[in-house]
Amino acid sequence: DQQVKQNSPSLSVQEGRISILNCDYTNSMFDYFLWYKKYPAEGPTFLISISSIKDKNEDGRFTVFLNKSAKHLSLHIVPSQPGDSAVYFCAASARYAGGTSYGKLTFGQGTILTVHP
Amino acid sequence: DAGVIQSPRHEVTEMGQEVTLRCKPISGHDYLFWYRQTMMRGLELLIYFNNNVPIDDSGMPEDRFSAKMPNASFSTLKIQPSEPRDSAVYFCASAKTYNEQFFGPGTRLTVL
Repeated sequence: DQQVKQNSPSLSVQEGRISILNCDYTNSMFDYFLWYKKYPAEGPTFLISISSIKDKNEDGRFTVFLNKSAKHLSLHIVPSQPGDSAVYFCAASARYAGGTSYGKLTFGQGTILTVHP
Repeated sequence: DAGVIQSPRHEVTEMGQEVTLRCKPISGHDYLFWYRQTMMRGLELLIYFNNNVPIDDSGMPEDRFSAKMPNASFSTLKIQPSEPRDSAVYFCASAKTYNEQFFGPGTRLTVL
């Protein structure tokens, strides 16, 4: 049961344009969402997060949007740069669901972003 | 801080052999996580510890997998016996809170 889904395995954009990465989730108990970036031969690194009490969070060129009713979030990168080329993982947490859920992240399968010069 | 340290970075072994992966978390972090990354399933959580105690091991695929955390600065993930389908990249991550996990560089395991 894939509770966090990234339906686009890959995305290709031109340098300077906007990159939009999408993520859907099914578990209504998820209340905290994160994006991680991963370069080859390295571990994922934290990029940006958003709590379910917000619908937008911005950090420089990166903005995450959350649509709770649609159970959908997206990561916007503007403007895209060649150095942004990496695998992007969406992750979700159900912090207050009780049991062993505290501290646990569920990841999507990742989207490979390629930014062409 | 050196970040999360994993060893070895690459491991090639034959089916049936025991494999031990090692992780040193960031000092002061209370949570430690073991993940497996495959093309088919993405990043899967295998097990996680809080203050050295295993909290959730529901992601451990079968009894061939075991993990320990004898102290706050060291954890192991053991596969015995290993099988070709265990071939994957295994990540260790640590966190001070649930919010942000810091990942190690991973161990690429190949079981022939």
